[in-house]
Amino acid sequence: DAGVTQSPTHLIKTRGQQVTLRCSPISGHKSVSWYQQVLGQGPQFIFQYYEKEERGRGNFPDRFSARQFPNYSSELNVNALLLGDSALYLCASSLARQNYGYTFGSGTRLTVV
Amino acid sequence: GQSLEQPSEVTAVEGAIVQINCTYQTSGFYGLSWYQQHDGGAPTFLSYNALDGLEETGRFSSFLSRSDSYGYLLLQELQMKDSASYFCAVREGSGNTPLVFGKGTRLSVIA
Repeated sequence: DAGVTQSPTHLIKTRGQQVTLRCSPISGHKSVSWYQQVLGQGPQFIFQYYEKEERGRGNFPDRFSARQFPNYSSELNVNALLLGDSALYLCASSLARQNYGYTFGSGTRLTVV
Repeated sequence: GQSLEQPSEVTAVEGAIVQINCTYQTSGFYGLSWYQQHDGGAPTFLSYNALDGLEETGRFSSFLSRSDSYGYLLLQELQMKDSASYFCAVREGSGNTPLVFGKGTRLSVIA
C-alpha cells in the first residue's frame, strides 16, 4: 500500500504569492492533519480534517486555509506568503479515533524568497 | 498553555544506552507518543504510552508517569543509524484531537 503522499516535494515562491500543497492519505484513513516544521523545531499543528470537516485549527493566521475532499485527500493553501512561512509542511493521516499513530508524508519544503 | 520540554541535544556512544526525557504541561492528557525523524525525512512513529509504566518495542522502550507528567524514551544497543531527532508528543483530548509535539532532541551516535 502507498503511504501518505505529498506534492510537490519542493517549492520556491516569492513573498506575496499564494501556494497550494496537496496530500493523499493512506487508503482507509479518513483523518488528515497538517503541520508546519521550521528547521530545528518540532512540528506545529495547523489543521485537522476528518470526514471533510475541520476538526481543529492551530494558532495560525487566516492566510492559512485547508480543505478535505470526498476521497479524503487534502489541500493546504497559504496566501500572501511571508518569508517566515518558509518551512517543511507535513501531512499526517490516521484512522478515526486512533490516539497515537500518525503516519506522516515526506513533506513539502517551501522556500519563500 | 501547553508545553513539552525535551533536551535539545544528546550524544552517546555506539552500543551504549541513552535516555531522552520529556516533561509535559498540557490542558488534557490522552497519551504520550514518540517519533523519530532523520534529517530530510518524515517523522515516524516509535511508541505510545497511555498508562503508567514501560512499553518495550525491540531496542526501544518508552516509559510514562502520569503523576509526574513525565516520560522517557530509552534506546539500547545504539547504532549509528539511530542518529536522528526524537520528538515526544501529547494528545490533549480523545478521538480526533491533534498531537502536540515537543521541540525535539537531536541524538548523535558516535563511534
